[in-house]
Amino acid sequence: QVQLVHSGAEVKKPGASVNVSCKASGYTYTTYYIHWLRQAPGHGFEWMGIINPSGSTTTYAQRLQGRVSITRDTSTSTVYMELRSLRSEDTAVYYCALDYADYVDNRFSPTYYFDHWGQGTLVTVSS
Amino acid sequence: EIVLTQSPGTLSLSPGEKATLSCRASQTVSTYLAWYQQKPGQAPRLLIYGASNRGNGIPGRFSGSGSGTDFTLTITRLEPEDFAVYHCQQYGSSPRTFGQGTKVEIK
Repeated sequence: QVQLVHSGAEVKKPGASVNVSCKASGYTYTTYYIHWLRQAPGHGFEWMGIINPSGSTTTYAQRLQGRVSITRDTSTSTVYMELRSLRSEDTAVYYCALDYADYVDNRFSPTYYFDHWGQGTLVTVSS
Repeated sequence: EIVLTQSPGTLSLSPGEKATLSCRASQTVSTYLAWYQQKPGQAPRLLIYGASNRGNGIPGRFSGSGSGTDFTLTITRLEPEDFAVYHCQQYGSSPRTFGQGTKVEIK
């Protein structure tokens, strides 16, 4: 059974950085992409970024470019999301989500829908 | 950016009744549309992808339909565990976007 386990809740001051981790287990194959999304109170989900199976390639949402970084430790099946220069509007629950990918034209490509989600990490930004 | 509008915002129904949820896209997304179920304190769960394909282990009472800009999630005969918030998501166009959700509550 696939599990994505998040690190614990965080409280940060404006201008600080936060690092959230997500550890995957129960999935035999390594060919999966990991996405990060967030959900602010009373809002829908917002897609933040994606990292490929090897951890060599990332793509970020345009509005978060320059503030977000996603990295991956394949040896521990853990993915990290760092968000910098935090603002009050970054207060949200942050989720990692697994994308099994499609194998098309002899290569894997992300589907951009989310087969499994973690339970989320609440990040509160407050002075 | 494609805007997804879900309706109604809240649906009040009794167990055993049929639920019909709507998701309308501001531009065509073909069939690149997914539905998720979210319960308080739990990880969201993929129900439907490709507008009409059920995810792994999803019961047959959940079905999705539609293409282009209009989509429907139907839950025939609501079970107690089905009362939750349902979100649609389009993944055919960047940035991938979500609707605001429909809450299905017990009447």
